[in-house]
Amino acid sequence: GAGVSQSPSNKVTEKGKDVELRCDPISGHTALYWYRQSLGQGLEFLIYFQGNSAPDKSGLPSDRFSAERTGGSVSTLTIQRTQQEDSAVYLCASSSQTGGHDTQYFGPGTRLTVL
Amino acid sequence: AQSVTQPDIHITVSEGASLELRCNYSYGATPYLFWYVQSPGQGLQLLLKYFSGDTLVQGIKGFEAEFKRSQSSFNLRKPSVHWSDAAEYFCAVGAPGGSYIPTFGRGTSLIVHP
Repeated sequence: GAGVSQSPSNKVTEKGKDVELRCDPISGHTALYWYRQSLGQGLEFLIYFQGNSAPDKSGLPSDRFSAERTGGSVSTLTIQRTQQEDSAVYLCASSSQTGGHDTQYFGPGTRLTVL
Repeated sequence: AQSVTQPDIHITVSEGASLELRCNYSYGATPYLFWYVQSPGQGLQLLLKYFSGDTLVQGIKGFEAEFKRSQSSFNLRKPSVHWSDAAEYFCAVGAPGGSYIPTFGRGTSLIVHP
């Protein structure tokens, strides 16, 4: 079946503009994660959705970052008033969430460049 | 809260040589442990995971890892490296009964010389 897809694959924007990044998880996966991967860094957790529960937003670095998940499926990560330090690869992952040892399936990422 | 350390930023090996990538974790009980691989321009793919049972775990692509509670380690090994193994490797730790958000290490970049 189809894996996790993300769009766009690359996004170049000017400082101060808003951007929206999209994630389509694997069908039936109830858990969805967003991560940020900066050059030479590991994965920085941003936000976690599980079913109809309130999302865990504890990783969002500022109030310029927000995310939503519509209908328990597609998710959009929005960054307002982008800054140069927001440049990174944004990765989305989904899992079936039957337990804490579930495998996360990652999309290919969106590379964001803020000029 | 759990944490994970990958002490080596880069590892260089010759093709055909053996490989060991180190991973140390901090958690008050037996954690869930994962190794993921990221090829250039790709997302992460699970190589193997440990959550109970046999402490020697076999994964895909000929990789294995051993959970050593006494050393708080979960090192990844492969007996003979192929050029296609060049990638970024991430260790992650999860908390049983806690948050479903694993913590990832900073990654180890594997370079393979012909």
